[in-house]
Amino acid sequence: EAQVTQNPRYLITVTGKKLTVTCSQNMNHEYMSWYRQDPGLGLRQIYYSMNVEVTDKGDVPEGYKVSRKEKRNFPLILESPSPNQTSLYFCASRGDSYEQYFGPGTRLTVT
Amino acid sequence: DQQVKQNSPSLSVQEGRISILNCDYTNSMFDYFLWYKKYPAEGPTFLISISSIKDKNEDGRFTVFLNKSAKHLSLHIVPSQPGDSAVYFCALIQGAQKLVFGQGTRLTINP
Repeated sequence: EAQVTQNPRYLITVTGKKLTVTCSQNMNHEYMSWYRQDPGLGLRQIYYSMNVEVTDKGDVPEGYKVSRKEKRNFPLILESPSPNQTSLYFCASRGDSYEQYFGPGTRLTVT
Repeated sequence: DQQVKQNSPSLSVQEGRISILNCDYTNSMFDYFLWYKKYPAEGPTFLISISSIKDKNEDGRFTVFLNKSAKHLSLHIVPSQPGDSAVYFCALIQGAQKLVFGQGTRLTINP
């Protein structure tokens, strides 16, 4: 089954404790992206990657890092999480068309 | 400054009637437009799209209209069904890389 998977689905952590949210897709897509969803703001793009070893900032990249060492994986790294990074995070990928396929989401709470 | 606005946070429609969801944008450089549907605890799923060279695209009960001069996008669902109750996001693409989402409209279909 073609899908985008994210882990963990839920995470509660404390300020400053480094964390990684994994994202993997099995559709051989070159393009992958991370978004955060906040009430009243919709989804905002954090980072995107056009291909392996190629990443670029989206609209809200501050406080986040990404890496793209393999085509299928695109982890999101929070080196020192802060409470304002409490949000719902989505990973997505797309192939040749413009339609992006989204993962199920990761709900992160930073206390 | 938000480039994409969905001015109605919520919409309630009777089953069988037409649902019309609206999206306004400010940047004339957007060249592809999509609608996504999102159920609770799931990632957004692609619904329908339209390129900037067209003004209408139809897929079953769903029709997307694009008015470039007014910078306005709309989604029509007819007839509306209870399973259509979800949050709908418009998403606009510029240069094949950046996807900019609206804030979302929560559609409720009443029996």
